[in-house]
Amino acid sequence: EAGVTQFPSHSVIEKGQTVTLRCDPISGHDNLYWYRRVMGKEIKFLLHFVKESKQDESGMPNNRFLAERTGGTYSTLKVQPAELEDSGVYFCASSLDGLPVLAAYSYEQYFGPGTRLTVT
Amino acid sequence: AQSVAQPEDQVNVAEGNPLTVKCTYSVSGNPYLFWYVQYPNRGLQFLLKYITGDNLVKGSYGFEAEFNKSQTSFHLKKPSALVSDSALYFCAVRVQLAGFQKLVFGTGTRLLVSP
Repeated sequence: EAGVTQFPSHSVIEKGQTVTLRCDPISGHDNLYWYRRVMGKEIKFLLHFVKESKQDESGMPNNRFLAERTGGTYSTLKVQPAELEDSGVYFCASSLDGLPVLAAYSYEQYFGPGTRLTVT
Repeated sequence: AQSVAQPEDQVNVAEGNPLTVKCTYSVSGNPYLFWYVQYPNRGLQFLLKYITGDNLVKGSYGFEAEFNKSQTSFHLKKPSALVSDSALYFCAVRVQLAGFQKLVFGTGTRLLVSP
């Protein structure tokens, strides 16, 4: 079974440019998450899709970030225009079940290798 | 606010010695706790989790973690470290709101195992 894949693995862009990151979750996983790790800090939640719907985007830093998941399969995260503080590693994760999770159970999230974004 | 703390930026241990990577948490309600590992140029890999039951949880690659409710800790342990265990380790807690979940991570601890 293929794992979560992300593209590109590394992107270097100039401030003000646009970058689009892509995530392909594990086939059949309804839940898709985006996280970000800024250098030396914790991995922070950005948003959560269930199928094509955004369930929680409370972690999105500002309106320069736009995430989509058309058709409930792969997802893209666009940063436009990029700023220096957007540099970091962007992780995507997926998990089973599009339904609200029962309190007593926790589906494991499977992470991709990340995209390292450098804004110069 | 629900949070996880990893007080050590780096842990150094000699191969063959036991290792401990510390994690403490602050959550409301019952904590669902996780450890992930990131090897160089790789994604986060799930190691183990605590949901309920036995306080000692066993996971991948010989790792285990001990849940201590009174100390709000979930330290990662291994009886005998390997050089190949050198990696970045993240502790996380599951936060659930309105039936949907997300992970809140610590800042990570770099483990360096010397030969």
